[in-house]
Amino acid sequence: NAGVTQTPKFQVLKTGQSMTLQCAQDMNHEYMSWYRQDPGMGLRLIHYSVGAGITDQGEVPNGYNVSRSTTEDFPLRLLSAAPSQTSVYFCASRGSEGANVLTFGAGSRLTVL
Amino acid sequence: AQSVTQPDIHITVSEGASLELRCNYSYGATPYLFWYVQSPGQGLQLLLKYFSGDTLVQGIKGFEAEFKRSQSSFNLRKPSVHWSDAAEYFCAVVDSSYKLIFGSGTRLLVRP
Repeated sequence: NAGVTQTPKFQVLKTGQSMTLQCAQDMNHEYMSWYRQDPGMGLRLIHYSVGAGITDQGEVPNGYNVSRSTTEDFPLRLLSAAPSQTSVYFCASRGSEGANVLTFGAGSRLTVL
Repeated sequence: AQSVTQPDIHITVSEGASLELRCNYSYGATPYLFWYVQSPGQGLQLLLKYFSGDTLVQGIKGFEAEFKRSQSSFNLRKPSVHWSDAAEYFCAVVDSSYKLIFGSGTRLLVRP
């Protein structure tokens, strides 16, 4: 199994550009989420989804959009990138039997100039 | 609101020495607690978890953690550290909405 796959691994944007971070999982997990990791701040939840067609905001949702059209995919969109969105982004998923044990992707490092 | 505090930003230990990483949580009910490890350039890997029952839980790679309700703590321990244990360690708690809340992390450095 591939687990949780994130693309791209690295991306450089200019302020105001848009882009989508992709996340796909092949474990048939209902729950998927996006975190951002910044030095000294741990991981903070951006958005999450408990199933196809259902999304909700986490701790730091501003500037990000998500959708969940299929169980497998949970893309994160930046409509107008800002330098404050320079971070490492992690996608994570869990199944209904996982008792809150998340499986993480390898991360996507985004730099906004 | 639930929160997790990891008071040590960095810890340096010699290879072969024992290790204890501190974690304190804020949660009214019995918490679900986790320790994750992140090697450089990698995602997070689950080390161990506590849901209920025995307060001393064993994890992978020789790690263990002890849940102490009276101290609101869930410290991670290892009796003998290996150079490959150098990484960042995150404590986490599930909040009342079943979302995972992470501490700010402790970076472990291992001296040869």
